[in-house]
Amino acid sequence: DSGVTQTPKHLITATGQRVTLRCSPRSGDLSVYWYQQSLDQGLQFLIQYYNGEERAKGNILERFSAQQFPDLHSELNLSSLELGDSALYFCASSVGGTSVHEQYFGPGTRLTVT
Amino acid sequence: LAKTTQPISMDSYEGQEVNITCSHNNIATNDYITWYQQFPSQGPRFIIQGYKTKVTNEVASLFIPADRKSSTLSLPRVSLSDTAVYYCLVGGPNQGGKLIFGQGTELSVKP
Repeated sequence: DSGVTQTPKHLITATGQRVTLRCSPRSGDLSVYWYQQSLDQGLQFLIQYYNGEERAKGNILERFSAQQFPDLHSELNLSSLELGDSALYFCASSVGGTSVHEQYFGPGTRLTVT
Repeated sequence: LAKTTQPISMDSYEGQEVNITCSHNNIATNDYITWYQQFPSQGPRFIIQGYKTKVTNEVASLFIPADRKSSTLSLPRVSLSDTAVYYCLVGGPNQGGKLIFGQGTELSVKP
């Protein structure tokens, strides 16, 4: 158990819909990261927040957005969903905000878009 | 961020030592080398990190030559539970927290 929690574990929705994925970091960790893992794209970095502010951005689609709240939990919002958005979405957290800091990954949310 | 190259797959048998080499020719002065392990449908898990020479912890060793253009993850006496994908990543303290995962090396341990 990494100490990072993600909800829900599974999500099935239809194309065009909007969903919100939630992540609670390990106690004391200030940085939260979101990753997408699909069969054809592998593990892709989406976005990073550090203490409430956006720190780094990857190839995150405009239909996707995220935020980190004052209590440091984070939400990833996916809208106008397409079939290709079906993937495992991982949240990770670390105490610091650089790639040198060990990242602890949550169990993931499996999103299925039908 | 420095690009890494590692074998796509490797096979081994229980009890053997496994060495996975990663090439990172464009590693920057401030970059560290980090290895993560991932089991199917689970998030990656940090294994080990190093800057130069040799680092050892309770699960693995990391060997880094003087030129730092490659590194080798060594797993002693593997078991079936070590079957996983292993990722080599390179990054430094000035590059934010973005981790760029390549294809990784799919290690299969057989009885």
